[in-house]
Amino acid sequence: NAGVTQTPKFQVLKTGQSMTLQCAQDMNHNSMYWYRQDPGMGLRLIYYSASEGTTDKGEVPNGYNVSRLNKREFSLRLESAAPSQTSVYFCASSEFGNQPQHFGDGTRLSIL
Amino acid sequence: AQSVTQLGSHVSVSEGALVLLRCNYSSSVPPYLFWYVQYPNQGLQLLLKYTSAATLVKGINGFEAEFKKSETSFHLTKPSAHMSDAAEYFCAVSDDSGAGSYQLTFGKGTKLSVIP
Repeated sequence: NAGVTQTPKFQVLKTGQSMTLQCAQDMNHNSMYWYRQDPGMGLRLIYYSASEGTTDKGEVPNGYNVSRLNKREFSLRLESAAPSQTSVYFCASSEFGNQPQHFGDGTRLSIL
Repeated sequence: AQSVTQLGSHVSVSEGALVLLRCNYSSSVPPYLFWYVQYPNQGLQLLLKYTSAATLVKGINGFEAEFKKSETSFHLTKPSAHMSDAAEYFCAVSDDSGAGSYQLTFGKGTKLSVIP
């Protein structure tokens, strides 16, 4: 039972490069989320998808785009990476929006 | 918008002592409340959730939390700390952003250290 799978686990980028973080869940959940975690800041929501075919901005969407490819997959794209986007990124899913969220193990992204 | 305040970014307790991690929230409507735990280099795991069924909620690993509406609090406790409880703990509140699109707002986390 894999739950939420994120790839890659680690990545180093140069400023200005682009990258897509992948997330897939096998729990048939309707809602999916992308967060970033920075020291002392807790988790901040970047984008979410309440259901297949919909996406909405969270607290910190600038510099990111998302795609809900199908019910299982929700990707996060950095079009032109900046050092301020150095962070740990977590994907999560839930059956519905008010149900507990299940988290992946994170992608540790460094931008030089 | 909801907000969550966790008092104390770092708490240290002795093994066997009471664990108390504090969480206060702001909400104009009855909220959904959660506690998550994060071990190093891992994602967040659900400890427990409050969904208005009972004010005292029991979770995994011996943790429990009590919802107090008058104090807008949802503090996490465990009677006797174990070395394996050392981790970071996050309180979160669910907010209906409209059309059933709930968002979780997290506190900034409390890192628990357990001293042998």
